[in-house]
Amino acid sequence: DAGITQSPRHKVTETGTPVTLRCHQTENHRYMYWYRQDPGHGLRLIHYSYGVKDTDKGEVSDGYSVSRSKTEDFLLTLESATSSQTSVYFCAISPRLGLADTDTQYFGPGTRLTVL
Amino acid sequence: KQEVTQIPAALSVPEGENLVLNCSFTDSAIYNLQWFRQDPGKGLTSLLLIQSSQREQTSGRLNASLDKSSGRSTLYIAASQPGDSATYLCAVRPTGGGNKLTFGTGTQLKVEL
Repeated sequence: DAGITQSPRHKVTETGTPVTLRCHQTENHRYMYWYRQDPGHGLRLIHYSYGVKDTDKGEVSDGYSVSRSKTEDFLLTLESATSSQTSVYFCAISPRLGLADTDTQYFGPGTRLTVL
Repeated sequence: KQEVTQIPAALSVPEGENLVLNCSFTDSAIYNLQWFRQDPGKGLTSLLLIQSSQREQTSGRLNASLDKSSGRSTLYIAASQPGDSATYLCAVRPTGGGNKLTFGTGTQLKVEL
């Protein structure tokens, strides 16, 4: 298994509170991604990073911010959580841009977030 | 905007049966297509990756095909086993734009004894 951990694994919070999810990798991969998974929608990309301090928006980035100050850590922050952000959040990593058969994305175990 | 559809949403088969899972996508300008497996409460595991220039990929009892012009891919599972029970997702990577994948909603497979 790729060395990816996510913390916390479960969190319950209240509307309006800030929340930060952490993704930590031990693979020294350049690319890191945050997805959310919701019934009927599959996985949708929130933000991704292509290097330290280099990030870009994905499909559903509104209400989320990210930071990457070290290769191994990618943080996802909900500045003011809303009930619509209740979801399972997955972090993924990849060594390169997917230009070879082996350049798949490796996924973490997920964080289940409930916003009341 | 790329849309990826997987049919059926759920499938139940007896052990030993050969089965086919379907994935369709609306924009044929893809770089590659991947099939993933997701077990309950777990992350995704890549099963097969097909480049746009390829027609199929095989790994053990799994065979994935790609028809880019028609926007379709199939995942064939031979001699299904209870351990194959999981949700299977396909994802496409567009040409250009980095490794940003668009996922289907998945097919939940149950293989019964």
